[in-house]
Amino acid sequence: GQQLNQSPQSMFIQEGEDVSMNCTSSSIFNTWLWYKQDPGEGPVLLIALYKAGELTSNGRLTAQFGITRKDSFLNISASIPSDVGIYFCAGRGGSNYKLTFGKGTLLTVNP
Amino acid sequence: KAGVTQTPRYLIKTRGQQVTLSCSPISGHRSVSWYQQTPGQGLQFLFEYFSETQRNKGNFPGRFSGRQFSNSRSEMNVSTLELGDSALYLCASSFRQPNSYEQYFGPGTRLTVT
Repeated sequence: GQQLNQSPQSMFIQEGEDVSMNCTSSSIFNTWLWYKQDPGEGPVLLIALYKAGELTSNGRLTAQFGITRKDSFLNISASIPSDVGIYFCAGRGGSNYKLTFGKGTLLTVNP
Repeated sequence: KAGVTQTPRYLIKTRGQQVTLSCSPISGHRSVSWYQQTPGQGLQFLFEYFSETQRNKGNFPGRFSGRQFSNSRSEMNVSTLELGDSALYLCASSFRQPNSYEQYFGPGTRLTVT
């Protein structure tokens, strides 16, 4: 089945720094989604990508759909303490309407 | 527009019991997917329902089942609970269209099996 490798597993950064994380797939995807999850809550959708090469921003967040269709990147600029949480990538391939999720990146921001 | 709602938010059950969790999707969404989230395994797909029919199924034993009603609300049931079933159970709803497949999650039901 489809597998997603998300890295890094965790990051400790200082407030104001930029952050970058990525996901790679063993197969081609046609949809990439990025989520953020706070403790005890469900994941919240941040950005959705549907086209290879697509670059989409949501405030300080920017995500890209890799041109090989096997990877995606999420960047957070000028991090702030409320960026703390777990970030997940999710992808969908073929005609299947099933999402595969990465293991998540735990982000800690030191004020 | 109201988001995805899940009830109950917390449950404590004993091994061998069964449990039913409920999910109400965003208005207009007809697809509901269920996930199990544990610290060790991450988000694991259970099943997806669309138009009252199960369309996709993950690799979980038959003790895990679900259904969807005509108003798109969905329930999942776990029978003969085991300690390893302790997890956060999340449901997500979507339009289920090729270029509009964002899934929106509810807050989850935290199930503890003792």
